[in-house]
Amino acid sequence: LAKTTQPISMDSYEGQEVNITCSHNNIATNDYITWYQQFPSQGPRFIIQGYKTKVTNEVASLFIPADRKSSTLSLPRVSLSDTAVYYCLVGAAASNTGKLIFGQGTTLQVKP
Amino acid sequence: DTEVTQTPKHLVMGMTNKKSLKCEQHMGHRAMYWYKQKAKKPPELMFVYSYEKLSINESVPSRFSPECPNSSLLNLHLHALQPEDSALYLCASSRTNVGYEQYFGPGTRLTVT
Repeated sequence: LAKTTQPISMDSYEGQEVNITCSHNNIATNDYITWYQQFPSQGPRFIIQGYKTKVTNEVASLFIPADRKSSTLSLPRVSLSDTAVYYCLVGAAASNTGKLIFGQGTTLQVKP
Repeated sequence: DTEVTQTPKHLVMGMTNKKSLKCEQHMGHRAMYWYKQKAKKPPELMFVYSYEKLSINESVPSRFSPECPNSSLLNLHLHALQPEDSALYLCASSRTNVGYEQYFGPGTRLTVT
């Protein structure tokens, strides 16, 4: 099972770039890495997904080294509204028997 | 329509009650999920349906019974729950294969008394 480890919390200031790293030493060959954002009393919201190297979309970038044992979510120029819990999820996207395991989550606090 | 809806938003039930949670999506997604989330913890996968067939059951107690009547609907039938089953129950869906980008509903806050 690909157990994941994330920092419990991070602080940042508005306008800064935030990088959150997730460790997943036992990631399997067909596992993808997905990041979600969750606000209180809401369901998680998809941010980005990747398998290897770098993926970028309109809200974030995801960096995955060649060994895939970790991944880093990068949020450019955060604002107060980015204060939330960020989860790393590792699981198989091409199999109906794959495990889907959320990390413990990183609470990001953005200060003015 | 990129929304997953869940009803009810809140549910209080006794340990001898039978109730059901409902989830609906109209995005044409063929994988649907139930998660359980306790306060300040990550979501824990309970069940996955793929093309309306149960494909993953994460050793969930039989007092939780999932049902997928059609490709847009997912139910979770509850019976003889325990107080420790109180949690936020989240439904999600994804396009095809399990694990792809999941769209989550707002959840049902369940309290077992």
